[in-house]
Amino acid sequence: QVQLHESGPGLLKPSQTLSLTCTVSGASVTGGSYHWSWIRQPAGKGLEWIGRISASANSNYSPSLRGRVSISLDTSQNQFSLRVTSVTDADTAVYFCAREPPNIVGATSLWGQGTLVTVSS
Amino acid sequence: DIQMTQSPSSLSASVGDRITITCRASQNVYNYLNWYQQKPGKAPQLLIYAVSSLQSGVPSRFAAGGSGTDFTLTINSLQPEDFATYYCQQTYSARTFGQGTKVEV
Repeated sequence: QVQLHESGPGLLKPSQTLSLTCTVSGASVTGGSYHWSWIRQPAGKGLEWIGRISASANSNYSPSLRGRVSISLDTSQNQFSLRVTSVTDADTAVYFCAREPPNIVGATSLWGQGTLVTVSS
Repeated sequence: DIQMTQSPSSLSASVGDRITITCRASQNVYNYLNWYQQKPGKAPQLLIYAVSSLQSGVPSRFAAGGSGTDFTLTINSLQPEDFATYYCQQTYSARTFGQGTKVEV
């Protein structure tokens, strides 16, 4: 059974860099044609797609966040990571890591439980 | 960016009702349209992918359709566990979610 688990600091100050890691168990991040994604959700609001990385380390990002965001793979740890630079309070949200399998038009069928990141001075 | 607009933003319903949620894309997304259910404090769950394909394990009372820019999600005979927030998502160009529709009692 494949599981995803997010980890990282829960509290940041404005202008700092947000770094989160998603640990994958039950599957390899380099196996198959999967994409590994990050999605966030401010409290009481909707879902915002941040970006994704393929098993071969090709990445795509949301146009609204491009320039501040990067996603990377750590094959030795079977993890993928998110970095968001120059955070503001608008980056306060629950961050989910997730997986897109092939052949279902990019839908996200597996999600982590989410981790809350708060940006506050 | 492709914008996704859902209507209504919320609706009140009762167990046994049939409800329909609409999702409109700002441009043609072809069949790259998915639906998710989210309950409070939980991650979203995939219900429907590619406009109308039911994800494994999803009850058959969930149905969806549409094409191009206009899509619908219907829940036939609403069950207590169906009270939740529903999101559409386009995956034709990057990924964008609708703002959500909360289905409540």
